[in-house]
Amino acid sequence: DQQVKQNSPSLSVQEGRISILNCDYTNSMFDYFLWYKKYPAEGPTFLISISSIKDKNEDGRFTVFLNKSAKHLSLHIVPSQPGDSAVYFCAASGRTGGTSYGKLTFGQGTILTVHP
Amino acid sequence: EAGVAQSPRYKIIEKRQSVAFWCNPISGHATLYWYQQILGQGPKLLIQFQNNGVVDDSQLPKDRFSAERLKGVDSTLKIQPAKLEDSAVYLCASSLVSYTEAFFGQGTRLTVV
Repeated sequence: DQQVKQNSPSLSVQEGRISILNCDYTNSMFDYFLWYKKYPAEGPTFLISISSIKDKNEDGRFTVFLNKSAKHLSLHIVPSQPGDSAVYFCAASGRTGGTSYGKLTFGQGTILTVHP
Repeated sequence: EAGVAQSPRYKIIEKRQSVAFWCNPISGHATLYWYQQILGQGPKLLIQFQNNGVVDDSQLPKDRFSAERLKGVDSTLKIQPAKLEDSAVYLCASSLVSYTEAFFGQGTRLTVV
């Protein structure tokens, strides 16, 4: 049962353009969402998060949007840079209790390639 | 601030052998996680500790996997006996409390032949 899904295995974008990575979830107990970036041979690195009480959170070039009714979130990177090329994982957690409390459930990842 | 330390980085063993991984979390982080990441998939939680108590081990194959976190700091994950399907990267992570962002170590790549 895949509770967090990233349906695009890969995304290719030109430098300077916008990258949009998508993520869907099914568990309505999830109320905290995170994006991680992973380079080869390294562990995932925390990028940005959003609580379910918000619909948008920005940090520099990175913005995460949350649509609770659609159980969908997206990560926008503007402008994209070659150094952004990595695998991006969406993750979800429950902060208010239940079996998802504090436990990160990850999607399968999307490989982003930014071409110069 | 030092990050999450893991060792070894790489390990190759034969099936039915045993192996152990070590993790030292970020100082002061109460929550420690072990994740398994199979090639092409996202990390999957094996076990979560809060201090030295187990919070969640529902996805840990307890017939062959074991983990402990003595004194609420360092942790070890053991596999005995290993199977071919255990080939994966084993990631340790820690967080200040259980619902904040987790910080990951570099992982241990295990190959079972």
